[in-house]
This record gives sequence, structure tokens and C-alpha cells, in this order.
Amino acid sequence: EPEVTQTPSHQVTQMGQEVILRCVPISNHLYFYWYRQILGQKVEFLVSFYNNEISEKSEIFDDQFSVERPDGSNFTLKIRSTKLEDSAMYFCASSGRDRWSEQYFGPGTRLTVT
Amino acid sequence: EDKVVQSPLSLVVHEGDTVTLNCSYEVTNFRSLLWYKQEKKAPTFLFMLTSSGIEKKSGRLSSILDKKELFSILNITATQTGDSAVYLCAVVAGGTSYGKLTFGQGTILTVHP
Repeated sequence: EPEVTQTPSHQVTQMGQEVILRCVPISNHLYFYWYRQILGQKVEFLVSFYNNEISEKSEIFDDQFSVERPDGSNFTLKIRSTKLEDSAMYFCASSGRDRWSEQYFGPGTRLTVT
Repeated sequence: EDKVVQSPLSLVVHEGDTVTLNCSYEVTNFRSLLWYKQEKKAPTFLFMLTSSGIEKKSGRLSSILDKKELFSILNITATQTGDSAVYLCAVVAGGTSYGKLTFGQGTILTVHP
């Protein structure tokens, strides 16, 4: 069964450093998403991406964040200058048929900023 | 702002019990409601509901949506220890939304042998 994959599973970085989180969505999907979950809190939407551009973003997704689909398979989230409060689990998700169809999540990348 | 509230926050039962998890929501231009099961890491898709009063069923799990009263329930019958997880409810708005999911805080279900 096709699944969303994410690498790395755990990333430790120092405050101020840049990190890139990588995702490979399900191959025939067209809509891609990033969410994050701070420990003990709700899963929060960050950004949606369709047709090679951002279609919707939350207030959390400020200038420090960017997304890219550099080739036909990868989907990346970059945080330019990490802060302590960026420590969270980051989930990638994708959906296929249309923008409202069910989303399938990857296993997540746990980002720890020290 | 869209809002999703789940109850109870946690539930402890024994194998064989039946449980009902609740999800109420406030969303502008409601499109659909989704249930996910979160074990160690990734939320796993269970159901998507768009129409009121139509039950979705998969094995021992079932869910129904009430669009008039703005809530959904997830039922699990004959619970097993493998059902232990966090159950997440999320809503999607229509209109100009591109599928953004707004999640509730989850219900932690623990099933003891």
C-alpha cells in the first residue's frame, strides 16, 4: 500500500541553524501539506501546496519557513533560522482526488532545537 | 476561527467494552469531518464524513455526523488492546480552503486486557 515517507525521523539542531525536512508524498497525489504537533498540543496546520505553489498558509508559517517541490517526488519544508519554540513533530501529508479528499500522513520528523 | 472540541479527553476501558468518542465543531462553510487514529507517530485515516445521518462503518468502528447539531461520534465495539491510541477529529472548510485540517485535541483511549 502506498504511503507517505519522511526523513529524517529525528533531527537535533542548534538555535539559529537552518533545517530541511524531507517528505515523499504518495506518488499520484497532487495536494501536499505540512502540519506540526508541539508535545502535548494539537496538530496544527502550517501550509498547503498545489500546482507548485503555496495555496494556503497559517499564521505560524512566517518568513522563516518555506516549502519546495524540487523534483517530481520530494516535498521539503525549510526553517531558515530555528528557534527553541520550533521544537515539535512535523508531519507531511498528501491527498489525491481533490483538495478536500482525505489526507494521508507520514510518520513525522521530530525536530529538537537546543 | 474554526474550532474542534473532543470529549472525553481520556478514557480507560477493558477489552470487550464499547466506547463512544465525541467531536463537536464550529467551522465556517463546513465541508467534511475526518477521524484519525494516532498511535506512536502518524495519524492514520479512519473515516471522512460529509453527509449528515449516514453512518460510515469499518469492522468494529463506526461513525456518524450530525450537521444540524454540529457534532460527530466515533463508536468502537468489542474493544481490543490494539485500539489503544489517541483518536483525532478534524474538520475541513469548503470555499477557498485548500483542504486545511483543523484538529481537536484528541481523545486518549486506553484498553486494558
